[in-house]
Amino acid sequence: NAGVTQTPKFRVLKTGQSMTLLCAQDMNHEYMYWYRQDPGMGLRLIHYSVGEGTTAKGEVPDGYNVSRLKKQNFLLGLESAAPSQTSVYFCASTGTSVANEQFFGPGTRLTVL
Amino acid sequence: SQQGEEDPQALSIQEGENATMNCSYKTSINNLQWYRQNSGRGLVHLILIRSNEREKHSGRLRVTLDTSKKSSSLLITASRAADTASYFCATEPGGSYIPTFGRGTSLIVHP
Repeated sequence: NAGVTQTPKFRVLKTGQSMTLLCAQDMNHEYMYWYRQDPGMGLRLIHYSVGEGTTAKGEVPDGYNVSRLKKQNFLLGLESAAPSQTSVYFCASTGTSVANEQFFGPGTRLTVL
Repeated sequence: SQQGEEDPQALSIQEGENATMNCSYKTSINNLQWYRQNSGRGLVHLILIRSNEREKHSGRLRVTLDTSKKSSSLLITASRAADTASYFCATEPGGSYIPTFGRGTSLIVHP
């Protein structure tokens, strides 16, 4: 049982390049989330999904797109990376919507030059 | 904007002392959770307290919730160097089951 995994762990992009971050969970969780963490800002929600085939915007969705084609996977895409998207990205999942802890992945450290 | 805000932003204590950190939030909530984050790692869930509960314990952790003041506190007793980490509160605003995190308290426990 691997829990929540994220790939890649590190990535350096040039401005304007695109990439996809992959989050996978093997706990059969319904809810999945993408956060970004910047110094002094805590975690901010980018997008989330309440089930396979559904996505919704969080607090800071601009510049990102997501897809949840399979229940176990939640993809975060950057179509045209900007330096402001330099951050650490965390994926999380939870079993149901009510009073359940979130399980977090180890994070992806992204630098956009 | 963050729903919950932790206080203090940073806390430095000696091993064996107690550490107390607080979380204040703005709107009514369903639940409040506390998480720990070690440097460079993902967050790990510590404890959940429901809106109709006032106090919960888990090992050396004690969490209180005062809904009238819209605040919670996390007490770590007999702290250890291994407790050095950032601690976050996460609230689920009433009507929403999407957790919102504060900026965290950075705790350093000196051996």
